[in-house]
Amino acid sequence: AQTVTQSQPEMSVQEAETVTLSCTYDTSENNYYLFWYKQPPSRQMILVIRQEAYKQQNATENRFSVNFQKAAKSFSLKISDSQLGDTAMYFCAFGNAGNMLTFGGGTRLMVKP
Amino acid sequence: EAQVTQNPRYLITVTGKKLTVTCSQNMNHEYMSWYRQDPGLGLRQIYYSMNVEVTDKGDVPEGYKVSRKEKRNFPLILESPSPNQTSLYFCASRGTGRTGELFFGEGSRLTVL
Repeated sequence: AQTVTQSQPEMSVQEAETVTLSCTYDTSENNYYLFWYKQPPSRQMILVIRQEAYKQQNATENRFSVNFQKAAKSFSLKISDSQLGDTAMYFCAFGNAGNMLTFGGGTRLMVKP
Repeated sequence: EAQVTQNPRYLITVTGKKLTVTCSQNMNHEYMSWYRQDPGLGLRQIYYSMNVEVTDKGDVPEGYKVSRKEKRNFPLILESPSPNQTSLYFCASRGTGRTGELFFGEGSRLTVL
């Protein structure tokens, strides 16, 4: 079974600064997918970014980018120019060929004005 | 508007009283899934369905049942709820392709007394 670990239960960052959220995972599979989801206070789950394991290039979506280190099984999320609206719970998730999606425990991010 | 709809959004019930949380999607998605979210544990998959009449257990299926008689609907059934099933529940769906985005419902907050 896969496991996903987010070692930072809570983080804070000043508005306009950069923050990195950590995620590590454990798997014996070679083909898989990694995701970051955002859950604002509204509870809605929103996909932020995804990465296919076979791609070496790190995914980027506007102010959000990942640092994917396959050998180290690490998948961190970098948020640049943090905005107040980025305040949310962030979940790292692993998806495999069996269509199971395994989530980490989450990191609560607070962006301070 | 593409969406996943769950009902009820909030429910307080008592131990042993059967309940059903409905989930419906209007995107013609083959894949549907149920998760429960608990503090520090992230989202854990309860059951998933690859298509009509095909369901499989996730990580935490005990105490739950599902059915997939129609493509658009995937109800979650708690035959005899217990207090440890107090949680926030999410239904999600996804189209063909493993990298397809998971679309989540707005969540159902269930309290079992």
